Amino acid sequence: RKEVEQDPGPFNVPEGATVAFNCTYSNSASQSFFWYRQDCRKEPKLLMSVYSSGNEDGRFTAQLNRASQYISLLIRDSKLSDSATYLCVGGGNNKLIFGAGTRLAVHP
Amino acid sequence: GAVVSQHPSRVICKSGTSVKIECRSLDFQATTMFWYRQFPKQSLMLMATSNEGSKATYEQGVEKDKFLINHASLTLSTLTVTSAHPEDSSFYICSALPGQGAYNEQFFGPGTRLTVL
Repeated sequence: RKEVEQDPGPFNVPEGATVAFNCTYSNSASQSFFWYRQDCRKEPKLLMSVYSSGNEDGRFTAQLNRASQYISLLIRDSKLSDSATYLCVGGGNNKLIFGAGTRLAVHP
Repeated sequence: GAVVSQHPSRVICKSGTSVKIECRSLDFQATTMFWYRQFPKQSLMLMATSNEGSKATYEQGVEKDKFLINHASLTLSTLTVTSAHPEDSSFYICSALPGQGAYNEQFFGPGTRLTVL
């Protein structure tokens, strides 16, 4: 079983839609979690950290449920520029473990 | 902000040759650098952790004699793919940790796309 699992998608949504991504992790020792964004053939870029209390950054909201080992990302009012692959990332033992990513395509 | 460069950005080579990829932190010193590999539609997989002045720590399943890592200075780490074969074709990405930063504060390079014919 992969340490970090995500639905690969793709999620095809119209501009303005709200879309939610989910992620589960298997290593209960993982200490910190993040969402990264990766554009085609580019390096990943940190989108936001994820906390149990939930955190919001503009149109993006991330949530961590340690009991269920579940992480979510909500994107409101989707823009064309949000089209990318979203990587769920767990951290522990001084390294990052990446999920395979969920692809989002926002269309006009 | 912290900038990490990689060179070359793309390389095509013949099977059996060796390829060296450089990773540089341009505006900060990096005691630790990481090397990742990403196959199409798959996740980034950590290959090894490179510490300046010491031997790299390789992840399980990564051959240290095939993927040679050298971190001779605080701003440069190199990955050499020795005797490359078509199955080594992949996207190789490095990242660097500034100073005493936590492992999750690493900055990523733009990646090197390797194609072995």
